[in-house]
Amino acid sequence: IAGITQAPTSQILAAGRRMTLRCTQDMRHNAMYWYRQDLGLGLRLIHYSNTAGTTGKGEVPDGYSVSRANTDDFPLTLASAVPSQTSVYFCASSGTYTGELFFGEGSRLTVL
Amino acid sequence: QQQVKQSPQSLIVQKGGISIINCAYENTAFDYFPWYQQFPGKGPALLIAIRPDVSEKKEGRFTISFNKSAKQFSLHIMDSQPGDSATYFCAAFGDGGYNKLIFGAGTRLAVHP
Repeated sequence: IAGITQAPTSQILAAGRRMTLRCTQDMRHNAMYWYRQDLGLGLRLIHYSNTAGTTGKGEVPDGYSVSRANTDDFPLTLASAVPSQTSVYFCASSGTYTGELFFGEGSRLTVL
Repeated sequence: QQQVKQSPQSLIVQKGGISIINCAYENTAFDYFPWYQQFPGKGPALLIAIRPDVSEKKEGRFTISFNKSAKQFSLHIMDSQPGDSATYFCAAFGDGGYNKLIFGAGTRLAVHP
């Protein structure tokens, strides 16, 4: 089934550890995004990429980094995790100028 | 910082009733206003969207009403069903362009039988 694949589904992590959340899409969309979802705060954009080789900062980029080496993959890295990064992380993609985002099923991250 | 304000935070409706969720936005660079639906344990999925060349868009039981001068838009769910129970998010593109879709805080809808 075409779409967004995220891994891991869930993870418990000690504070200070490095963590990479993986995201792969098979729709050949140019744009990809990372959001975090927290109760009462909705979905907040962390980073985005308009096309392979380019990335940009969203609403809450601090503590996170991304790369876009190719069209399909858009990993999100927490260099040194902190408890406030406990959240559900969603990767999404969209075609150029379509306005519709396709989301993965999320990665639940707990930082202790 | 671009904001999208959504209300209410939660909503309980009886089966067959009308569910109404409201959103207000600030400046936007791209005239496209979507609503996303999210079931527990799943990612959000596009439910319905409007471009403000029209003031209303209807798809089945779901209707978006748009008021450009007030910078507000709302989702109406007619004849609400228990299967509609989900979290609903409105969104608008921030002034950074089409690649920055900003979401409201979400409304948790429960439709009781």
